[in-house]
Amino acid sequence: NAGVMQNPRHLVRRRGQEARLRCSPMKGHSHVYWYRQLPEEGLKFMVYLQKENIIDESGMPKERFSAEFPKEGPSILRIQQVVRGDSAAYFCASSPPRAGGRGTDTQYFGPGTRLTVL
Amino acid sequence: AQSVAQPEDQVNVAEGNPLTVKCTYSVSGNPYLFWYVQYPNRGLQFLLKYITGDNLVKGSYGFEAEFNKSQTSFHLKKPSALVSDSALYFCAVRDGGNNRLAFGKGNQVVVIP
Repeated sequence: NAGVMQNPRHLVRRRGQEARLRCSPMKGHSHVYWYRQLPEEGLKFMVYLQKENIIDESGMPKERFSAEFPKEGPSILRIQQVVRGDSAAYFCASSPPRAGGRGTDTQYFGPGTRLTVL
Repeated sequence: AQSVAQPEDQVNVAEGNPLTVKCTYSVSGNPYLFWYVQYPNRGLQFLLKYITGDNLVKGSYGFEAEFNKSQTSFHLKKPSALVSDSALYFCAVRDGGNNRLAFGKGNQVVVIP
């Protein structure tokens, strides 16, 4: 059973460009979480999605950032008009469904995408 | 909001000695607590969690953690450290009903041969 997959592993963008980060959850997992890790800091929650639904986006910046998890295909974190402050490691995690529709307690993380904005 | 604190920046320990990485929590209600380890340029690997039950939780790679309600702590321990345990360790707590995790800033563990 493959783990959580993220691509690309490294992404370089110039200021003003768009960044698209992809996450394929573990097989059988229907809950996806995105976290951002700034240098010398812990991970900060950004957004929690189930298939075709955003459940909690309380950690997402109000502008330029969006996320989706379509019925088919990977979850996408999209950053428009990137700025240098967006440079970070972005981690995706997944968890299987629990009765009642909420994710179980253990999240399994992917290897991350390291975004560098020049 | 729920939170955890990892008071030390770096923990140095000689190979073969006991390893302890400290974590304290602040929650309203029952805490759901986790430990993860991160190796350089890698994602986080799950070590163990406390939900309910026994205060001593056993996890992967010989690690265990002790939940102490009176001290609001959840320290990670390993009886005999290996050089390969050198990594960044994160304590986390479930923050809210939507299962999002709030992480501590992490502790760098250096095991000296």
